[in-house]
Amino acid sequence: DSGVTQTPKHLITATGQRVTLRCSPRSGDLSVYWYQQSLDQGLQFLIQYYNGEERAKGNILERFSAQQFPDLHSELNLSSLELGDSALYFCASRPTGGNEQFFGPGTRLTVL
Amino acid sequence: AQSVTQLGSHVSVSEGALVLLRCNYSSSVPPYLFWYVQYPNQGLQLLLKYTTGATLVKGINGFEAEFKKSETSFHLTKPSAHMSDAAEYFCAVSDRQRKLIFGQGTELSVKP
Repeated sequence: DSGVTQTPKHLITATGQRVTLRCSPRSGDLSVYWYQQSLDQGLQFLIQYYNGEERAKGNILERFSAQQFPDLHSELNLSSLELGDSALYFCASRPTGGNEQFFGPGTRLTVL
Repeated sequence: AQSVTQLGSHVSVSEGALVLLRCNYSSSVPPYLFWYVQYPNQGLQLLLKYTTGATLVKGINGFEAEFKKSETSFHLTKPSAHMSDAAEYFCAVSDRQRKLIFGQGTELSVKP
């Protein structure tokens, strides 16, 4: 158990819909990272937050957005969903001053 | 920009045999390097990391990796494979923003 939690574990929805994925980092970790894992793209960095502020952006679509709340949990919002958005979405947290990231169990999104 | 190449998308070894998973990286700055393991339907677990100092890094479950700057490599080894080692292994490099850039992964199969 990494100490990072993600909900829900599975999500099945239809094209055009909007979903929200939630992540709680390890206690005390201020940095949260979101990654997408798909068969064709592999593991891709999406976005990073540090203590509520966006710090880095990767290959994140404009239809996707995220935020980090004062209690440090983070949400990834995916809208106007397409079939190609079906993937595993991971969040990870990093301790301040540390280098390694600890990953949550992921949310498997299926868009039908 | 950093990048990671994992040689071999699938490696098969016999139980008790040496495990060698290859990783080469590209980085314009001294790299932070990581190996993660992903068991089916689970998140990523950190096996080991290299940041600075000793170039031979020991990790969990008997794995180790050696950082070779001259060869830009960070290969993962284990002297004797166990059935429980069957999983997908990812090599990653961390950039200045500490986000992880992953290789495409190597699936390790262990034959009895």
